[in-house]
Amino acid sequence: DAGITQSPRHKVTETGTPVTLRCHQTENHRYMYWYRQDPGHGLRLIHYSYGVKDTDKGEVSDGYSVSRSKTEDFLLTLESATSSQTSVYFCAISDYREGGETQYFGPGTRLLVL
Amino acid sequence: AQTVTQSQPEMSVQEAETVTLSCTYDTSESDYYLFWYKQPPSRQMILVIRQEAYKQQNATENRFSVNFQKAAKSFSLKISDSQLGDAAMYFCAYAYMNRDDKIIFGKGTRLHILP
Repeated sequence: DAGITQSPRHKVTETGTPVTLRCHQTENHRYMYWYRQDPGHGLRLIHYSYGVKDTDKGEVSDGYSVSRSKTEDFLLTLESATSSQTSVYFCAISDYREGGETQYFGPGTRLLVL
Repeated sequence: AQTVTQSQPEMSVQEAETVTLSCTYDTSESDYYLFWYKQPPSRQMILVIRQEAYKQQNATENRFSVNFQKAAKSFSLKISDSQLGDAAMYFCAYAYMNRDDKIIFGKGTRLHILP
């Protein structure tokens, strides 16, 4: 357990509404990530952060923005949700202990866009 | 671009037997990490095992071991003495060894354990 929480855990929203998902970590990790998981696609990287106010795009960043104003919080925003953004969203951190890099994941947020 | 391929969408194994999940990857890098993650019905992503590419010795974690063939770009997971709790989706993953540290996942293999 790398002290990662996500909120909300479940959300139902309507097309066109803004949605913000929060990832919170308690162990001062520098790198944080947002993934989405869809059947047949595995996990795909949306955005990641390598420090406060330092973020970059991943493989499927269109329609998403992120912010990181504090080390412990990494926010994912869907400016105008679409049905194609119905998915399970995972936050992750990189842990460099034990002599190497390993990513640990939060519990996930299930988002349904109607 | 780096890719990770899991050619077995689903597998089944009898309880207490041994099963091997396959994974191949494509990269031009020489230094990288490989991982197997387990995702049970709870959807939590759990790290099973990690392998550093510069290490020739195959990683092991209790009943889980890997067969890492760097030249062949193959990274299979062997589960010995399969238990009902091993039923899950298993993802193979690759990570660069640079500051970006992005992980690339395969599409997963669903493992069923038959009692």
